Amino acid sequence: EVQLVESGGGLVQPGGSLRLSCAASGFTVSSNYMNWVRQAPGKGLEWVSIIYSGGSTYYADSVKGRFTISRDNSKNTLYLQMNSLRAEDTAVYYCARETSYCSGGSCSFFRSFDYWGQGTLVTVSS
Amino acid sequence: QSALTQPASVSGSPGQSITISCTGTSSDVGGYNYVSWYQQHPGKAPKLMIYDVSKRPSGVSNRFSGSKSGNTASLTISGLQAEDDADYYCSSYTISRSFVFGTGTKVTVL
Repeated sequence: EVQLVESGGGLVQPGGSLRLSCAASGFTVSSNYMNWVRQAPGKGLEWVSIIYSGGSTYYADSVKGRFTISRDNSKNTLYLQMNSLRAEDTAVYYCARETSYCSGGSCSFFRSFDYWGQGTLVTVSS
Repeated sequence: QSALTQPASVSGSPGQSITISCTGTSSDVGGYNYVSWYQQHPGKAPKLMIYDVSKRPSGVSNRFSGSKSGNTASLTISGLQAEDDADYYCSSYTISRSFVFGTGTKVTVL
C-alpha cells in the first residue's frame, strides 16, 4: 500500500529555517516524480516544488532561492529545506506523488498527483 | 503564475448535475492536456478525481467526468450525492515546467 507521512512542521520565527520530511512506503521515491504542495489556512492549494526521478528540480517563483527539494534514496524519504521563512509561508505542506503507470520496467507519468500525505503545518510567526 | 479561475461556489440538489469551470491561458490549460481535478473535504488531503482532462483513476465514481475546450476545463458531477459536498480544485501543468492550481470551488449539496 502506498503511504506518505510528512513530519517536521512547527512554529518558526520569520527569517528562520525548517526541514520537512516525507517518508514513503509502498513505492520507491527515486523512481517517481515527487512534489510539495502547500495550503495556507482557509486558502487554496499552491504547488511548491518537484523533483524528477533523474534528479532535476523546479520551484514556484514564490519559493525559488529559499526552498530546496531533495531526497534520500536509502531512507526512501523526500525533503523540503525551507530557509528565510516569511509569514506568507505559513501553510499545511503536503508531499504528493505524481500519477504514474509502470509496465515492463518503463513508467509513464501523468502530470497530476495521485497520492498525498496527511500534511504538516508550518507556522511562521514571531 | 496566476491561479486558474474557478467559481467560488456551486450548489445543487441530490440527484442533479453540476459543472465547475476552470479557466486558464494558452500557457497552461489551453496548451496541454494535463488538467486534473481534486476533491478535498475539510481537514483532509486532496483526492485525485480526474487526470489528463477526462480520465478517472481506479475507484473514482463514473459520476465524475471532465472535459476541456480551449483555455477552459470543466468538471461535471452527475447524480449529486451528499458525500460530494466538498471543495474542488483544478490543476494544470504549465509552460514554465510548473503546476498551477485553481482558486477552488465550494460544492454544496442542498
